[in-house]
Amino acid sequence: AQSVSQHNHHVILSEAASLELGCNYSYGGTVNLFWYVQYPGQHLQLLLKYFSGDPLVKGIKGFEAEFIKSKFSFNLRKPSVQWSDTAEYFCAVSAGGYNKLIFGAGTRLAVHP
Amino acid sequence: AAGVIQSPRHLIKEKRETATLKCYPIPRHDTVYWYQQGPGQDPQFLISFYEKMQSDKGSIPDRFSAQQFSDYHSELNMSSLELGDSALYFCASSLERTPYEQYFGPGTRLTVT
Repeated sequence: AQSVSQHNHHVILSEAASLELGCNYSYGGTVNLFWYVQYPGQHLQLLLKYFSGDPLVKGIKGFEAEFIKSKFSFNLRKPSVQWSDTAEYFCAVSAGGYNKLIFGAGTRLAVHP
Repeated sequence: AAGVIQSPRHLIKEKRETATLKCYPIPRHDTVYWYQQGPGQDPQFLISFYEKMQSDKGSIPDRFSAQQFSDYHSELNMSSLELGDSALYFCASSLERTPYEQYFGPGTRLTVT
């Protein structure tokens, strides 16, 4: 069965620090990869997605992610975080011709001013 | 731009009662997905519909049923509610031809007492 692992459950950073959140998935075939963000009390919003092509994907709000097929990874990065980035971040995958999203456990990011 | 609408936003029920959650997809979106997010957990796929037909099924209890109507809105019916059903229920919609671009609604927070 497909699964998604997010390495860090809680991350605390100061403003302007760099961010990297790890995501690994288990599926040997073609996958579609996503990062969603959930701000406190709000719904899931799509940050970025990878279907094919350039493995370095740029999303909204200065986020980017790199797909490394050999490592089954899709890590999320941002060079300089802001207090407003405080949220929970979910990595998700869809694979095998199924459209449903399989989510990781999420990483709760707290950015201190 | 119009988003996914879910109603009600909050619902409190007692054990063994029934609940009906509604989802109105983005206009012209023909596919609807339901996800359940328990407290502190990642969203879990329940069920999806395309053109009023069930297209995929996940970890949806037998006590739950869902359908999609001709105007593409969907309803999730939950019977014999249990304390463990307390969760945030998200609906997402997409176009069948771009199933990976799922847009999430604000969720219905169900509390079972």
